[in-house]
Amino acid sequence: AQSVAQPEDQVNVAEGNPLTVKCTYSVSGNPYLFWYVQYPNRGLQFLLKYITGDNLVKGSYGFEAEFNKSQTSFHLKKPSALVSDSALYFCAVRDPRANDYKLSFGAGTTVTVRA
Amino acid sequence: DGGITQSPKYLFRKEGQNVTLSCEQNLNHDAMYWYRQDPGQGLRLIYYSQIVNDFQKGDIAEGYSVSREKKESFPLTVTSAQKNPTAFYLCASSIDWGRQAPDTQYFGPGTRLTVL
Repeated sequence: AQSVAQPEDQVNVAEGNPLTVKCTYSVSGNPYLFWYVQYPNRGLQFLLKYITGDNLVKGSYGFEAEFNKSQTSFHLKKPSALVSDSALYFCAVRDPRANDYKLSFGAGTTVTVRA
Repeated sequence: DGGITQSPKYLFRKEGQNVTLSCEQNLNHDAMYWYRQDPGQGLRLIYYSQIVNDFQKGDIAEGYSVSREKKESFPLTVTSAQKNPTAFYLCASSIDWGRQAPDTQYFGPGTRLTVL
């Protein structure tokens, strides 16, 4: 079975400081990993994904994520946070060996960036 | 949200009534999905469809039904059998299904259903 955990319900940072949103996963093989962002009462927007290759993945809006197989983690990072980055962030995982090809989402992390 | 529309944005239903949520996409995507979002629980898959006239149950299909008569449309019916239907419902689509490399799912703006 595949699953993903976001250990922090909330992350608070000051504008201009680095932002990290944590994600750990559990799959039987090599995972496919995704990050999405959701603004209030809106759908999810795709940020980036990891399939294979370079462990550092760069995505939209200056975000990047680092895949760490030994720690089974895929943390989302941004070097300098903006107030407009305040939103709900979801990590998702898929086991490519599973027959159903479903995405499993974490519970989400609320990011607040203060001016 | 571009390319996937959901209507209505807000929906109110009395207990015992069925209600249908609309999802339309103009991205020419083969696969479509319905998720339910509850606070603190992330997204849970209700149904998904790889191709027209075919769909599969997700993790929480009980009390829901779908149809896929056209490639661009994937309506979801919340039936009176659904015990706790108040939630935010999200539709998504992806370009393909079943390839080695997963395609990104793109989401609509959502429908907030409230049972009165």
